[in-house]
Amino acid sequence: SQQGEEDPQALSIQEGENATMNCSYKTSINNLQWYRQNSGRGLVHLILIRSNEREKHSGRLRVTLDTSKKSSSLLITASRAADTASYFCAPASYNTDKLIFGTGTRLQVFP
Amino acid sequence: SQTIHQWPATLVQPVGSPLSLECTVEGTSNPNLYWYRQAAGRGLQLLFYSVGIGQISSEVPQNLSASRPQDRQFILSSKKLLLSDSGFYLCAWSPDRGDQPQHFGDGTRLSIL
Repeated sequence: SQQGEEDPQALSIQEGENATMNCSYKTSINNLQWYRQNSGRGLVHLILIRSNEREKHSGRLRVTLDTSKKSSSLLITASRAADTASYFCAPASYNTDKLIFGTGTRLQVFP
Repeated sequence: SQTIHQWPATLVQPVGSPLSLECTVEGTSNPNLYWYRQAAGRGLQLLFYSVGIGQISSEVPQNLSASRPQDRQFILSSKKLLLSDSGFYLCAWSPDRGDQPQHFGDGTRLSIL
């Protein structure tokens, strides 16, 4: 298992703007997962993208995966104050049930 | 549908006291179970995970232990708490068939005095 590294560590934007967060990892993956954590709560799964997929959408979320660069990005379009949270990526290696989470990106959306 | 319950939500314990945090999952069988700890403003640290009853893998040597006495019950314990055990403890489960996301409980905020 390996840890994903999110970038930037913190991001502040206005409502209506788009937010982009990036994730890098080191070795080959089976899939990569994105999670959100509201302050003081557990993590909530957002999107799982498999290694043979390049892009995936879910509502206002768009995730891309570039396995050649070992990187992924999460785009939140038309952000809302309710999107304020920490976002974590978790690259899932083959033959393991473990996920290793990084330190996340703290997103602040101002009304 | 599947649900995960974690309790208590908050706990204040003196140094040297024992600890028992419980996590149960409903609506699924043979889940993979996980315990994480999160320090304030930090990422998650995987402490233990289990793929079946009585099967516990420890990720980080420490003052804590875990047990899985039943298929859908995961317990985090300590005989004597240290100040450094303070943090936000999260339990999670995932289906045992792999390639699936994890689902988290609401966490326990543990403060050691």
